[in-house]
Amino acid sequence: NAGVTQTPKFRILKIGQSMTLQCTQDMNHNYMYWYRQDPGMGLKLIYYSVGAGITDKGEVPNGYNVSRSTTEDFPLRLELAAPSQTSVYFCASSYSARGNTEAFFGQGTRLTVV
Amino acid sequence: GQQLNQSPQSMFIQEGEDVSMNCTSSSIFNTWLWYKQDPGEGPVLLIALYKAGELTSNGRLTAQFGITRKDSFLNISASIPSDVGIYFCAGQLSGNQFYFGTGTSLTVIP
Repeated sequence: NAGVTQTPKFRILKIGQSMTLQCTQDMNHNYMYWYRQDPGMGLKLIYYSVGAGITDKGEVPNGYNVSRSTTEDFPLRLELAAPSQTSVYFCASSYSARGNTEAFFGQGTRLTVV
Repeated sequence: GQQLNQSPQSMFIQEGEDVSMNCTSSSIFNTWLWYKQDPGEGPVLLIALYKAGELTSNGRLTAQFGITRKDSFLNISASIPSDVGIYFCAGQLSGNQFYFGTGTSLTVIP
């Protein structure tokens, strides 16, 4: 089973460039999430989605955008990259956020903005 | 955002020793989860807790959902080298968001 797949694994961006981090899951999960992890820190929620066509802001949404046109895909868009967005980004999905919750994570995308 | 305080921040133990770490919050959570993250990988779920007072085991791992619903602990018995990694707690409120602790880095010395 592929689970949650993120691409690319690594990326270096120049300040002001834009890019899209891809995330796809094959478990037919309704809920999907984007987190960022800074060195020595836990994961901070950027955006999440409870189903196709529905997205909502998490704790740290500034500088990011998301879309959820299908159940499987949840891309994260950086429009004007800034050094503060240097981080490791994790996508996750879960079947239900209430009871019997288990969030599955991708392997991460390491992004450096220079 | 919600603040989850995880302790200790790091641990260095001898192989075979038991390990205990905990997570506290100022908020009441409905679900507590414990994850392990290996270098260069995403977090992997170890144990999920859904009821106050619940005590759940997964092999050498045991976790408990605190009675106050504001804390949880994770124990690892008879540690082995492959237990090395960063352990995260995560709590979920009534909504759809998970909040993560800052992690406990575990080093097991053979």
